[in-house]
Amino acid sequence: DAEITQSPRHKITETGRQVTLACHQTWNHNNMFWYRQDLGHGLRLIHYSYGVQDTNKGEVSDGYSVSRSNTEDLPLTLESAASSQTSVYFCASSDTGELFFGEGSRLTVL
Amino acid sequence: AQKITQTQPGMFVQEKEAVTLDCTYDTSDQSYGLFWYKQPSSGEMIFLIYQGSYDEQNATEGRYSLNFQKARKSANLVISASQLGDSAMYFCATDKTQGAQKLVFGQGTRLTINP
Repeated sequence: DAEITQSPRHKITETGRQVTLACHQTWNHNNMFWYRQDLGHGLRLIHYSYGVQDTNKGEVSDGYSVSRSNTEDLPLTLESAASSQTSVYFCASSDTGELFFGEGSRLTVL
Repeated sequence: AQKITQTQPGMFVQEKEAVTLDCTYDTSDQSYGLFWYKQPSSGEMIFLIYQGSYDEQNATEGRYSLNFQKARKSANLVISASQLGDSAMYFCATDKTQGAQKLVFGQGTRLTINP
């Protein structure tokens, strides 16, 4: 079955370190998204991509970057992790219909 | 910019009762979509139901229905005959239907079903 997977599922890191969260989907979807979930804010869009070599900033993009070198993957990089980036991160993908979410990655920045 | 408001932080309902989760939206777009997602304690996001702004009939999916009132900018989720497994966070979201699922979410409502 096609799926979307995130790794790692849990990570603890220190302030200032670079962190990359992986997202891989096997549906061959053109559209991929990264959201973060925090108490009281629901899910907020970080970055998104509508295809290979296309990336766009979302609502809360500061401190994050993405790259899209193939259809299947959209890694999210925190260049210099900050405590404010402690959150649960969700990757999602879609074609023209339903948005499919990964299981989430819980990141703690100490 | 689109905005979603969910005014009920938490709701408690007896098993087998129907429950309505409120959602109001704010958008200047003529064409948009409204979505509901369920997030159980395990954390995954589960798609429940979708309503397009031009759909004249309210969307239904099994025990879920979406009470769409366009003039009031309201898109309430109705769950009939609630079950213990319905206990979860519920999120309302919106996007432009002509776009590609770039969703704006509300803050969510935590629903607890009591036996």
